[in-house]
Amino acid sequence: KAGVTQTPRYLIKTRGQQVTLSCSPISGHRSVSWYQQTPGQGLQFLFEYFSETQRNKGNFPGRFSGRQFSNSRSEMNVSTLELGDSALYLCASSWAGVSYEQYFGPGTRLTVT
Amino acid sequence: EDQVTQSPEALRLQEGESSSLNCSYTVSGLRGLFWYRQDPGKGPEFLFTLYSAGEEKEKERLKATLTKKESFLHITAPKPEDSATYLCAAAQGGSEKLVFGKGMKLTVNP
Repeated sequence: KAGVTQTPRYLIKTRGQQVTLSCSPISGHRSVSWYQQTPGQGLQFLFEYFSETQRNKGNFPGRFSGRQFSNSRSEMNVSTLELGDSALYLCASSWAGVSYEQYFGPGTRLTVT
Repeated sequence: EDQVTQSPEALRLQEGESSSLNCSYTVSGLRGLFWYRQDPGKGPEFLFTLYSAGEEKEKERLKATLTKKESFLHITAPKPEDSATYLCAAAQGGSEKLVFGKGMKLTVNP
């Protein structure tokens, strides 16, 4: 069974630009969650999608958004990038939500210069 | 505010020296307590889920336990390959939101 895949793996952007990250969940999983990981703050919850609906969102500004497609693949978008957005962005999938086993992808390392 | 606190932040052990990692949580209506292992440059790897106080789960040299306020990850006779960052996370009842602790970096020296 293929694991969670994320693309791209590495990304370098300039302040003010926007970026779109992609996540393909494990086949059969309908829940996709996104997290931001930084050395200072650790892993922080961004949002969770289930059957194309966002069910919860963490404490991040509106510049962070996401969506989920009918095939459960998900994308997250960050607009007007700031230096502080440099982080590892992780996607996780589960069959029904965060209260169940989640399987993480390898992450996308975003560097904002 | 929901909070998960892990201690210690870092731990160095000699191979074979058993120890325990602590995860304390303040989450209303806990739906599940999770332990993950993360190696450098990789995403977290699922280890255990605990749902109710008194529950215990084991996997090789690892054993996770849960009380009403905290969870412990016991490592018995660790090996150098157990070196990693161990993350604890709590799922709040009624919302699809997972709160992570900041992790505990374990180093096991041969």
